[in-house]
Amino acid sequence: DIQMTQSPSTLSASVGDRVTITCRASQSVSRWLAWYQQKPGKAPKLLIYEVSSLESGVPSRFSGSGSATDFTLTISSLQPDDFATYYCQQYDTYPWTFGQGTKVEIK
Amino acid sequence: EVQLVESGGGLVQPGGSLRLSCGASGFTFSSYVMSWVRQAPGKGLEWVSGISGRGGSTYYADSVKGRFTISRDNSKTTLNLQMNSLRGEDTAVYYCAKAAGGGGGFYYGDWGRGTLVTVSS
Repeated sequence: DIQMTQSPSTLSASVGDRVTITCRASQSVSRWLAWYQQKPGKAPKLLIYEVSSLESGVPSRFSGSGSATDFTLTISSLQPDDFATYYCQQYDTYPWTFGQGTKVEIK
Repeated sequence: EVQLVESGGGLVQPGGSLRLSCGASGFTFSSYVMSWVRQAPGKGLEWVSGISGRGGSTYYADSVKGRFTISRDNSKTTLNLQMNSLRGEDTAVYYCAKAAGGGGGFYYGDWGRGTLVTVSS
């Protein structure tokens, strides 16, 4: 199985900060990489698919980049609603696998 | 509006069985691959199983293969997960998710609220 490793595991930031989360795959997943946001007690919410395509309704402060094994999710200016846990997911090779998550906390 | 509503979770003893269901509405159910994704308490997300639109192809994570069976009833727009020989490590919130695709694989744009399965004596 392809292993997805996110860093950092926890990130402390303030409103207005630029935030970057990294996701590394154990082998190439080409462009087949998605990002999700999850808040406590809620289902995950799709933010980005195919590395950089923004899901409908997702604010433009979220962006994704990368290719092959190294990917990033960037929040250009952190808003109060963005404090949550973020997961990457590869869908290049079955079984689809997720990163362990990055929790974005209030500094 | 897509709606996915899971049911059937609860407390079950190790070795026991449980059947989860997911009622779907707001889209052409039979046209989409559907999946179950779970999340153990305080842990990350784990893809569990998937089924093609017509139900002819099914897929399982190694951790549940041989114990879980995914099925669907397109006439009732319902997705099911029969879980047998349950273990403590199966304790999790189980989410029903509608797949969207690219490159042959699937990501998940729509999720239910989840149903909690607790395996404990």
